[in-house]
Amino acid sequence: DAGITQSPRHKVTETGTPVTLRCHQTENHRYMYWYRQDPGHGLRLIHYSYGVKDTDKGEVSDGYSVSRSKTEDFLLTLESATSSQTSVYFCAISGQPNTGELFFGEGSRLTVL
Amino acid sequence: ELKVEQNPLFLSMQEGKNYTIYCNYSTTSDRLYWYRQDPGKSLESLFVLLSNGAVKQEGRLMASLDTKARLSTLHITAAVHDLSATYFCAVTSTGANSKLTFGKGITLSVRP
Repeated sequence: DAGITQSPRHKVTETGTPVTLRCHQTENHRYMYWYRQDPGHGLRLIHYSYGVKDTDKGEVSDGYSVSRSKTEDFLLTLESATSSQTSVYFCAISGQPNTGELFFGEGSRLTVL
Repeated sequence: ELKVEQNPLFLSMQEGKNYTIYCNYSTTSDRLYWYRQDPGKSLESLFVLLSNGAVKQEGRLMASLDTKARLSTLHITAAVHDLSATYFCAVTSTGANSKLTFGKGITLSVRP
């Protein structure tokens, strides 16, 4: 199994508070991704990174920011959480440019009240 | 914009019978992926299809890719309860730093 750890795994917070989710990998993979999963929408890409300090937006990036200061860590920040950001967040990594296969973390369930 | 469609979104299957599910995508791509997700769990990679005509098989599941038709099929042989899960297909956009776009998933339920 790919070494991917997400933290926290569960979080309940209130509207307007900042939240940071962490994705840590031990595979030294170049590419890291944050997806959110919601019923009826499948997985939607929020942000991704193709190297240290190299990040780009996905299809649902509004209200989210990311940082990658080290190869192994990719942080997702909600500056001011809203109820619409209640979701399950998955981190994924990829280090195989010839296949592009993603390996997923266990997910972080966020509830914004 | 790359769009990925899966159908049907839910399929009730009878044990022992064969079924096929579909994944269509909207723009040129030669890489397609199938993932499985059990309730409350993460996604597990099932198949990586990298070229037109690619066929992969694992147990009762067989996936194929037709890039000209922009279509992948996942064939299930003699369904068993253990195959009950949600199955996602995903397609890579072309270009540098390409990323996966997922379909909404097909939930399969196998009944006795």
